[in-house]
Amino acid sequence: DTAVSQTPKYLVTQMGNDKSIKCEQNLGHDTMYWYKQDSKKFLKIMFSYNNKELIINETVPNRFSPKSPDKAHLNLHINSLELGDSAVYFCASSQGTNQPQHFGDGTRLSIL
Amino acid sequence: EDQVTQSPEALRLQEGESSSLNCSYTVSGLRGLFWYRQDPGKGPEFLFTLYSAGEEKEKERLKATLTKKESFLHITAPKPEDSATYLCAVVPRTGGGADGLTFGKGTHLIIQP
Repeated sequence: DTAVSQTPKYLVTQMGNDKSIKCEQNLGHDTMYWYKQDSKKFLKIMFSYNNKELIINETVPNRFSPKSPDKAHLNLHINSLELGDSAVYFCASSQGTNQPQHFGDGTRLSIL
Repeated sequence: EDQVTQSPEALRLQEGESSSLNCSYTVSGLRGLFWYRQDPGKGPEFLFTLYSAGEEKEKERLKATLTKKESFLHITAPKPEDSATYLCAVVPRTGGGADGLTFGKGTHLIIQP
């Protein structure tokens, strides 16, 4: 069974569109995260959610909004997509703070 | 500002040739240091967590060590399947709550048969 799963795996869309990426974890973890990996493969934290409450927002543009319907899901909604949003977005989860984070296989977002 | 620096950026070894990867960090108190492996097209795969200086963890051909300023990932007699990008990340000491990992830029390791 896949521990952290993301959909879609690939997303190609036009500039200005709105899109969502879904993430689900079946590990029973209470904290979920979104990371962005840029073209130079550098991973940077965007958000984390703990018990459906946003804990971190690392100066990400407000066009990005995480939404968590329950503890096992953390979706990422992006409004008015820009060329610079092209990247691979990774979802992760962990059991509590300071514990290993487990990652999904990423969503590759390409803006035309 | 919390910072993680990995070296070298890339490393090419012959099969069986042991070596070490370095991760130096500057954080306002360390709560944990993590090593991950990332294969092309995949998410980072957890390898080790180290919490205090002097701690060591081992798994197959890999051994991770930690000092107050840096961590090493030692690879003994590597095989071609060990080829990957190895990522180091830290969780700095803060006031509490969930914390994202601060990653280094990784070491791209290639093991030639």
